[in-house]
Amino acid sequence: NAGVTQTPKFQVLKTGQSMTLQCAQDMNHEYMSWYRQDPGMGLRLIHYSVGAGITDQGEVPNGYNVSRSTTEDFPLRLLSAAPSQTSVYFCASSYSAGGQYEQYFGPGTRLTVT
Amino acid sequence: GENVEQHPSTLSVQEGDSAVIKCTYSDSASNYFPWYKQELGKGPQLIIDIRSNVGEKKDQRIAVTLNKTAKHFSLHITETQPEDSAVYFCAATETSYDKVIFGPGTSLSVIP
Repeated sequence: NAGVTQTPKFQVLKTGQSMTLQCAQDMNHEYMSWYRQDPGMGLRLIHYSVGAGITDQGEVPNGYNVSRSTTEDFPLRLLSAAPSQTSVYFCASSYSAGGQYEQYFGPGTRLTVT
Repeated sequence: GENVEQHPSTLSVQEGDSAVIKCTYSDSASNYFPWYKQELGKGPQLIIDIRSNVGEKKDQRIAVTLNKTAKHFSLHITETQPEDSAVYFCAATETSYDKVIFGPGTSLSVIP
C-alpha cells in the first residue's frame, strides 16, 4: 500500500491563480480530511468527507473547495490564491471499524502564494 | 465547536528525564483523544490514543491520562531519548471520527 499520497510536494502561485492539490489513498478508508498547518497554530481542519459524494466544512473553509467523487480521491481546490493561503497542506484518511480508529496523514504540500 | 488548548508550546528535557504535555478541550461531547508525533518535513503520525471510558493507557514509554470531568488529558513520555525530539499534537473528536480538532502543538527537544 502506498498509503496517503499528495501531489505536488511544493508549489508557488501568484495571487489570483487557481490550482488543485491532489490527494489519494489506497486503503479504502471512508473518511478523508484536509488540514493546513501554520507556525504556532497546529493543524486546522479545512474540509472533510465521510464518504464518496459527501463533504462538509471544517474550521477554516473559506477560499477552498473540495469534492469526493470516488473513495480514493479527495482534491482540494484554491479558486483564487491569496498570500494568506501560504501554508503546508496535509491530507488525511481514516477508518472506523469494530471500535478501532486511526488517521493516516500524507507527506504534505508546501504552498507559497506571492 | 470544539477548541483544544495545549501546553507548553516548547519543552526541553535532558535525555532520560520525563516529559509531560497537557491539553484541555471544550466540547463535553468529545470522547476520543489521539496524540500525534510530527518529525521535521513529515506528516503527523498517531502514537497513542484514549477513549472516554478509560482513564489511563500505556504503551511502553508513553502513557496518556484523561480526566473527563475537568476536560483535561495529558501525554507522559518516560526515559526520553533524542529520537523523541519532535512536535507533538493532541486532538479531540466525537466518535463520529470525521471532525478531528488539533491543539497548537508542543515542540519537544531531548538534549543528549
